[in-house]
Amino acid sequence: GAVVSQHPSWVICKSGTSVKIECRSLDFQATTMFWYRQFPKQSLMLMATSNEGSKATYEQGVEKDKFLINHASLTLSTLTVTSAHPEDSSFYICSARDTQGGSYEQYFGPGTRLTVT
Amino acid sequence: KQEVTQIPAALSVPEGENLVLNCSFTDSAIYNLQWFRQDPGKGLTSLLLIQSSQREQTSGRLNASLDKSSGRSTLYIAASQPGDSATYLCAVNPDSNYQLIWGAGTKLIIKP
Repeated sequence: GAVVSQHPSWVICKSGTSVKIECRSLDFQATTMFWYRQFPKQSLMLMATSNEGSKATYEQGVEKDKFLINHASLTLSTLTVTSAHPEDSSFYICSARDTQGGSYEQYFGPGTRLTVT
Repeated sequence: KQEVTQIPAALSVPEGENLVLNCSFTDSAIYNLQWFRQDPGKGLTSLLLIQSSQREQTSGRLNASLDKSSGRSTLYIAASQPGDSATYLCAVNPDSNYQLIWGAGTKLIIKP
């Protein structure tokens, strides 16, 4: 299957700083990528849909100025958590949709664990 | 509005047993359905994808079926192993340009 990578896999930062998380589709092009967050023992929560070359679409309740998404190429989307606070500590997962052949299957990255102190 | 439900929420069975996980959805107009597994603290691994025109898909000891008319999908795991212990999630894709609609997952524990 297709591979999606995330970097870093974990990060600890101080309150008030910004953190950038990268999501890459390694062996396919993805016009659409998705960003999720997951709190312990809870389901995935979709934060935003990232479309290559255009602005991201944010889900209700997600602050677009706090969670900046850039999808500048067909293989890379980035999520920047600006002015991070302890309540932003979570597990962030990206996925990329493979549209080749019409399958529209989604592949997920391994996740990034963010801890804000 | 599409809603996805997974039953049971948790399941514990002895090693070697065959088992079935259930997923139901309220709107039969779907593009495809995916089954994933998630290990604690890890990302998601795609297990099987069933297109709306398909009835089932198989991969190794896993078999997923789809019955759109009744709004149901099942994931069958044969000869379960402790390594199968994980949370299993099903997700419906209502449209090719839409995000997935998720079930809450079934936490599976296989006892050695």
